[in-house]
Amino acid sequence: AQSVTQPDIHITVSEGASLELRCNYSYGATPYLFWYVQSPGQGLQLLLKYFSGDTLVQGIKGFEAEFKRSQSSFNLRKPSVHWSDAAEYFCAVGAWGATNKLIFGTGTLLAVQP
Amino acid sequence: EAGVTQSPTHLIKTRGQQVTLRCSPISGHTSVYWYQQALGLGLQFLLWYDEGEERNRGNFPPRFSGRQFPNYSSELNVNALELEDSALYLCASSPGNVAHSTDTQYFGPGTRLTVL
Repeated sequence: AQSVTQPDIHITVSEGASLELRCNYSYGATPYLFWYVQSPGQGLQLLLKYFSGDTLVQGIKGFEAEFKRSQSSFNLRKPSVHWSDAAEYFCAVGAWGATNKLIFGTGTLLAVQP
Repeated sequence: EAGVTQSPTHLIKTRGQQVTLRCSPISGHTSVYWYQQALGLGLQFLLWYDEGEERNRGNFPPRFSGRQFPNYSSELNVNALELEDSALYLCASSPGNVAHSTDTQYFGPGTRLTVL
């Protein structure tokens, strides 16, 4: 069955520190992978996506993610976190074809300490 | 370019009532998706519309329904509201149709529904 796992429910980092949010997926075919961010009370904003090609993808706000097929992972990274990055982050895999839906992980809530 | 818009922002209803939520996709997008984000249940796929047709629905009861209009905007209707329907309802749109099903989904700000 298709699924996405985000092992970390809550992460706290200091401003200026580096960040890595973990995402593991289970999908039978070539996955289409996404990271979205949700600020409190807001909708989802697309950070980046991976469809094919270069396994290191760059996104907005200085985020990047690396697709590792051997580990079924798509971890999100940022070299230096800003206080405005505090939000909830969702990893998703696109289940294309007849269903065309996104399957989301449970999210990782990021807190940034001054 | 305007993003996905949803109305209303917030709604409070009582059990048994009916509610209609609205969504306008990004201009040029033909596919609209509805997701439910309920506390403790995460983001769950509800419905997918493309070119006016319902293409797929998630594991939700029939009292969740909707439609897509010729201008590609969409409504989500929920009948006989239950307490557990309290959630943030998110609408997303994508540029493609069924033949371009790998298109990215762009989300609106959501409608917060509270059922008392």
